[in-house]
Amino acid sequence: ETGVTQTPRHLVMGMTNKKSLKCEQHLGHNAMYWYKQSAKKPLELMFVYSLEERVENNSVPSRFSPECPNSSHLFLHLHTLQPEDSALYLCASSQEQGPNQPQHFGDGTRLSIL
Amino acid sequence: GQNIDQPTEMTATEGAIVQINCTYQTSGFNGLFWYQQHAGEAPTFLSYNVLDGLEEKGRFSSFLSRSKGYSYLLLKELQMKDSASYLCAVRDPLGGGGNKLTFGTGTQLKVEL
Repeated sequence: ETGVTQTPRHLVMGMTNKKSLKCEQHLGHNAMYWYKQSAKKPLELMFVYSLEERVENNSVPSRFSPECPNSSHLFLHLHTLQPEDSALYLCASSQEQGPNQPQHFGDGTRLSIL
Repeated sequence: GQNIDQPTEMTATEGAIVQINCTYQTSGFNGLFWYQQHAGEAPTFLSYNVLDGLEEKGRFSSFLSRSKGYSYLLLKELQMKDSASYLCAVRDPLGGGGNKLTFGTGTQLKVEL
């Protein structure tokens, strides 16, 4: 139990579908992150929210749309995805202040695009 | 640009010691993290270095040399459960808050009997 919960754990969708990934953190952190993890590639940072404001959009296509309604919840809205978007999507949270504040990760959502 | 290199795979024997190296070339540096990730699970935090030297935490130690852009993770008294991917990540603070972690591809460690 990492304190970061992601749902669903697995998602299969067609290219024309619309779905959302959900992340909830119970650690009292004030920053949240979305990462993409593909086979044989490093974790890629997608979005960063600090104090519910988006502070980083790492050149992510507009078919991925994040939402952070409060400091405990983060969503990733998906529409018109491509087969190359199939990957593990990881959510993380951290406490912004302090030098030794690691990011805590959820177990991820395994996304498959048909 | 950001570049972090780690070996792709390593194999070691139960009870032995293994050292996993990480070299980095990044535009900013505010600390280096090591994470462990078992298949199908979340990456979990192992260690953090921001100053040069060795940090020890039980069976795990991590070393940093900022001048050389080099770190290693040392695992002692290896156990079968240590078979996992080990991720090296460099932190760069973001101007608007939060931190940016740039990850290596990870080193898949296999512990054998």
